[in-house]
Amino acid sequence: SQQGEEDPQALSIQEGENATMNCSYKTSINNLQWYRQNSGRGLVHLILIRSNEREKHSGRLRVTLDTSKKSSSLLITASRAADTASYFCATDGGSYIPTFGRGTSLIVHP
Amino acid sequence: GAVVSQHPSWVICKSGTSVKIECRSLDFQATTMFWYRQFPKQSLMLMATSNEGSKATYEQGVEKDKFLINHASLTLSTLTVTSAHPEDSSFYICSARNDREVLVHETQYFGPGTRLLVL
Repeated sequence: SQQGEEDPQALSIQEGENATMNCSYKTSINNLQWYRQNSGRGLVHLILIRSNEREKHSGRLRVTLDTSKKSSSLLITASRAADTASYFCATDGGSYIPTFGRGTSLIVHP
Repeated sequence: GAVVSQHPSWVICKSGTSVKIECRSLDFQATTMFWYRQFPKQSLMLMATSNEGSKATYEQGVEKDKFLINHASLTLSTLTVTSAHPEDSSFYICSARNDREVLVHETQYFGPGTRLLVL
């Protein structure tokens, strides 16, 4: 069953703007991961944040985790047209078996 | 980084035939492999989890006799869609993980996916 739910379902921005996506989940977790998927392709792992971490950075990506609210956010700064993709969060529900949300479809206009 | 391959990348078959999809970890030992299916513009739905040398654990609603999973070695898992029907048409993605690493919650690595079209 799905654990995480991303919000918004779709996001359309201009190049250079920041993009923020949110993920909410229902049960306790060991970790939460964000992935990117280009249309019709496999998933690319972006970042993993563990339950005892609150924030992580990787390049233009910033991920936060609030376990009290059971939510996470992914911020992409200074977006580029090449960032256009679907972004998914995956949570492990405490079992180390990741399940995915519905994803956020991001379109960055050049 | 770790590489996972899938073969074939796409397949078209007639209704009633069986299709085998391979998932290989190329540069690490995959003690655990996951099989997902994804319908257009939807999320990845976990079908089953397989551990090397043991039977796969299927998610609720997934027919184990229809989706046969074999994880016979630490580098290969196969998913066979038996007696495929048009409703089985989907994007099948595998992922692999090495649970023998110190951090058991290390990330999983995804294959590029296999697109199946059943006519």
